Amino acid sequence: EVQLVESGGGLVQPGGSLRLSCAASGFTGFSFSNYWMTWVRQAPGKGLEWVATMKQDGSEKYYMDSVKGRFTISRDNAKNSLYLQLYSLTAEDTAVYYCARDRLVESTTNAYYRGMDVWGQGTTVTVSS
Amino acid sequence: DIVMTQSPLSLPVTPGEPASISCRSSQSLLHTNGYNYLDWYLQKPGQSPQLLIYLGSNRASGVPDRFSGSGSGTEFTLKISRVEAEDVGIYYCMHALQTRAFGQGTKVDIK
Repeated sequence: EVQLVESGGGLVQPGGSLRLSCAASGFTGFSFSNYWMTWVRQAPGKGLEWVATMKQDGSEKYYMDSVKGRFTISRDNAKNSLYLQLYSLTAEDTAVYYCARDRLVESTTNAYYRGMDVWGQGTTVTVSS
Repeated sequence: DIVMTQSPLSLPVTPGEPASISCRSSQSLLHTNGYNYLDWYLQKPGQSPQLLIYLGSNRASGVPDRFSGSGSGTEFTLKISRVEAEDVGIYYCMHALQTRAFGQGTKVDIK
């Protein structure tokens, strides 16, 4: 079974930092290293908000405006893991953070977008003093 | 940045009846490859989001055929041909042109 498991959330003070992890397993056909990966968050009682996306080889990263310069997306393909480093946290960053499997890159010439088809259960970040 | 706007934001439905949600983007989502980079997701109460439709009109694996997506450019629609009780939740459209962005969400519940 394809699975994404987030971890690393918790209570942190304003201005603090946190590192979230997303462990991937059960990928069949193509491995973790063939997929773009994305972080999405959801503040309490609010809608989904895209946070960041990273290409399969780490060559390009995309961020929402409000987290640019504060959050860093990264991955370790050897460990089948995705990360999100959060800095300078504010109360507005309080949310459940989900990782999701994104675009498939078969080769340098073949890439397919079939939606974000696998999601984790989320990890909760609470920023409060 | 592309802004996604959904309507309605709340949709009471009657089981067995059809339902429709609209999504508008501030820029065209039609790529030069001919695909519209627009997805639909459903978040059922207490669950993670799940993919329903990708590239405007393609049902994801395991999604019942009562769900369909249509549209092109900046105007898109998600239709449920006959709503079932298990379809309650919040529906989101999302563009996937390089970056991503979600609509505000449409809450679907039973009348």
